Amino acid sequence: DTAVSQTPKYLVTQMGNDKSIKCEQNLGHDTMYWYKQDSKKFLKIMFSYNNKELIINETVPNRFSPKSPDKAHLNLHINSLELGDSAVYFCASSQAGFGELFFGEGSRLTVL
Amino acid sequence: KQEVTQIPAALSVPEGENLVLNCSFTDSAIYNLQWFRQDPGKGLTSLLLIQSSQREQTSGRLNASLDKSSGRSTLYIAASQPGDSATYLCAPHSGGGADGLTFGKGTHLIIQP
Repeated sequence: DTAVSQTPKYLVTQMGNDKSIKCEQNLGHDTMYWYKQDSKKFLKIMFSYNNKELIINETVPNRFSPKSPDKAHLNLHINSLELGDSAVYFCASSQAGFGELFFGEGSRLTVL
Repeated sequence: KQEVTQIPAALSVPEGENLVLNCSFTDSAIYNLQWFRQDPGKGLTSLLLIQSSQREQTSGRLNASLDKSSGRSTLYIAASQPGDSATYLCAPHSGGGADGLTFGKGTHLIIQP
C-alpha cells in the first residue's frame, strides 16, 4: 500500500501548455510538500502545505500553483509550461512539519 | 540560509568494506537531520532521522551520528553490499514549522561485487 503516490509518473508536453500533477498520501500526515529535482539532481523545495494553508513559497514562478482539496492531497498545477520546467517533481509528506519526511516516486516532466 | 555539503561526491568500493559518508551544514540551529537514499529513477527512501537532541541513530547496518554544534553528520555503512549502491542524501531541518528540509547534492555510492 503506497504511502505517498503521484500521478502521472511521466509527462511529456509542448511549451505553452498547462498541466497538473496529483499527489495523495495515506499516512495521515498534516503537511505536504512539492520538491523539484533538476538535471543536476539537486533537490529544492517549492511549496509546503499545512492543514490546507500555504506555509512557505520559495521563489518559484507564479505559473506554479499548489492546490490542496483536503489534507491527504496536494496537487501541482503548472501554466504556460517552459523548457526550463523540465525536471522531476517530487511530492512528500510529514507530520507537524518536523517529522520524518516520506517521498513519492516522482513525476518526470519533459517540456518540448 | 542553510547550505549543505556532502563529501565525497562519489565513491566506489569493493563489497564488504565499511564506509563513512560525510555531511556538513552551515546553520547549526536544526530540529533534526534525515538521511535518504535515492535509487536511479526512483524517489527518496528515508533511512534514518536523528533529532537535534540525539547523538546517533542506528538501523541495521546503518549508523548515523550528529554533531549539531559543529554542523556535521556522518552515515556509517557496515559490511557494504552491492544493493547499497545508490545516491545518499543528507537533509537538515532548520527553521520553524513546515519549512521543509535543505538537501545536499548527495554521495553517489557504487559497491563493486
